[in-house]
Amino acid sequence: AQSVTQLDSQVPVFEEAPVELRCNYSSSVSVYLFWYVQYPNQGLQLLLKYLSGSTLVKGINGFEAEFNKSQTSFHLRKPSVHISDTAEYFCAVHDDYKLSFGAGTTVTVRA
Amino acid sequence: DAGVIQSPRHEVTEMGQEVTLRCKPISGHNSLFWYRQTMMRGLELLIYFNNNVPIDDSGMPEDRFSAKMPNASFSTLKIQPSEPRDSAVYFCASSLGTGTDTQYFGPGTRLTVL
Repeated sequence: AQSVTQLDSQVPVFEEAPVELRCNYSSSVSVYLFWYVQYPNQGLQLLLKYLSGSTLVKGINGFEAEFNKSQTSFHLRKPSVHISDTAEYFCAVHDDYKLSFGAGTTVTVRA
Repeated sequence: DAGVIQSPRHEVTEMGQEVTLRCKPISGHNSLFWYRQTMMRGLELLIYFNNNVPIDDSGMPEDRFSAKMPNASFSTLKIQPSEPRDSAVYFCASSLGTGTDTQYFGPGTRLTVL
């Protein structure tokens, strides 16, 4: 079974600062990777996904992620965060027909 | 499109009672997933339906849990009898297909079993 590991459980960051959320995957075969965001008291929403092609994937709300096969990583970045980016972020890997999610990273943006 | 609809949004019940959670997937979606989210275990897949047929229920905790999908627009997750350790947020998600199609999540049902 494929899996992902999110290396940071909590990331505090100041408004307008950059943020990077780290995700490593375990797979030696083709891999499809996703980042989802969960705002307080809401369901999960897709930020972006990597299926193939360019290793730099751009998503919604100014987020982007880079697929790095040699490092088996799929880190999420945003150059300048807003208060509204406060949420929990989940990395996930496509495993047969389902998604296997990481434990999540809570991002708290402070003014 | 209204997205995935779940009801109720909150449910408080007493141990031993039957609980039924409901989900209406996005129209035209062929795959439906039930997830459970807890602090201790994170997001867990409970069961997966494709074209209304249960394909994988290996994540269902025990016989107290059951799920049905009588038609393409409705699914239920039932817990009978409920226990305090079932307290969690239960999410329903749907997608067009079974491959790498995006899963769209409902708002969840927060279940508290006293």
